[in-house]
Amino acid sequence: NAGVTQTPKFQVLKTGQSMTLQCAQDMNHNSMYWYRQDPGMGLRLIYYSASEGTTDKGEVPNGYNVSRLNKREFSLRLESAAPSQTSVYFCASSRERVGLVTEAFFGQGTRLTVV
Amino acid sequence: GQQVMQIPQYQHVQEGEDFTTYCNSSTTLSNIQWYKQRPGGHPVFLIQLVKSGEVKKQKRLTFQFGEAKKNSSLHITATQTTDVGTYFCAGRVGTGNQFYFGTGTSLTVIP
Repeated sequence: NAGVTQTPKFQVLKTGQSMTLQCAQDMNHNSMYWYRQDPGMGLRLIYYSASEGTTDKGEVPNGYNVSRLNKREFSLRLESAAPSQTSVYFCASSRERVGLVTEAFFGQGTRLTVV
Repeated sequence: GQQVMQIPQYQHVQEGEDFTTYCNSSTTLSNIQWYKQRPGGHPVFLIQLVKSGEVKKQKRLTFQFGEAKKNSSLHITATQTTDVGTYFCAGRVGTGNQFYFGTGTSLTVIP
């Protein structure tokens, strides 16, 4: 099992460029998440998807869009990249069990630099 | 704004010393999780606490959930160099899917 796979691992963008971060999980989890990690800020939730076909905003959604393509895949799109979006992005997935969210499994992360 | 705060932000200890990180929430949490992130790595789940006053142990690690379900702590006894990393708490409010991560505590263990 690969778990949670993110692509790409590294990316450099120019201000104003767009890109999509890809995430796929093979654990048959219902819930998927996108976080960004900045020094001293911990992990902040950008968007999440509780199930296929649904998405919801997290703490810091501005400047991002998401698509839950199917149960396995959850992509994050930056339409017009800004230097403030320089960060490490993590995708994660988890499974609901009897109303209790279980542990989240994280991908390896995408290190994005916007110049 | 940040709903879950963690202290300290950094901690340096000599190998063999104990270590504790504290997590505090402004609101009551339905449950709390703890994760460890090695330098350059991704967060890895350690444990989940659900009940008020709950205490769980994993070898040298002891996790506590406060009676009011607003705070939690992770205590490591006799640290080893393999304990190096950043420890995060993540609290869930209500029945939603959102977990609010703390700011993390970076642990350095000096051999």
